Amino acid sequence: QSALTQPRSVSGSPGQSVIISCTGTSSDVGDYKSVSWYQHHPDKAPKLLIFGVSKRPSGVPDRFSGSQSGNTASLTISGLQAEDEADYYCCLYAGGYTFVIFGGGTQLTVL
Amino acid sequence: VQLVQSGADVKKPGASVKVSCKASGYTFTNNGINWVRQVPGQGLEWMGWIGTYSGNTNYAQKFQGRVTMTTDTSTTTAYMELRSLRSDDTAVYYCARDSPDSSDWGTFDIWGQGTVVTVSS
Repeated sequence: QSALTQPRSVSGSPGQSVIISCTGTSSDVGDYKSVSWYQHHPDKAPKLLIFGVSKRPSGVPDRFSGSQSGNTASLTISGLQAEDEADYYCCLYAGGYTFVIFGGGTQLTVL
Repeated sequence: VQLVQSGADVKKPGASVKVSCKASGYTFTNNGINWVRQVPGQGLEWMGWIGTYSGNTNYAQKFQGRVTMTTDTSTTTAYMELRSLRSDDTAVYYCARDSPDSSDWGTFDIWGQGTVVTVSS
């Protein structure tokens, strides 16, 4: 089973930009253009932010953007706002016996 | 469009739990349902998927043999049963719908509110 590596925490001040990375292998991130990103506030349901590496569902602000280079996918949050403080998870199809895996999660702190 | 889950539950080690997830506002059989859990202090963990039209299932290897996912199309409800519960199964369990905008695994656009399952003697 592959693992997706995310930084445990990132931080930024209001108005700034932050980038959250999600590193896998050539067998998952590098092979499938299917990374999705979720925002998870405590005691709430996760919310889909990005799918298919860089597509945004309707209603998600364009401050959230996704990209991929090689075996690393990235979520960029521009113009940080206080309400962006949450946990963020990457997710993708990993094949094999597990099918879907989540990254370990990144806690975003807005200073 | 929403998924509404059953309420919190407390079980003893070795018991089973069955969590329900009622869908409304869309055609239930058009989208698969996934189950995801979050153990306290840990991240999200995908448990498996059920095709609401076919009834086909894919379970994460970790839960094979202990989990069963089913649906009742007459009531547009999905169920997840986890057996032989252990204390480390204490978690919030979510159901999540496959997004109609993507054919990729791992794209979940609607989530239930979560069900807290506590396993304690």
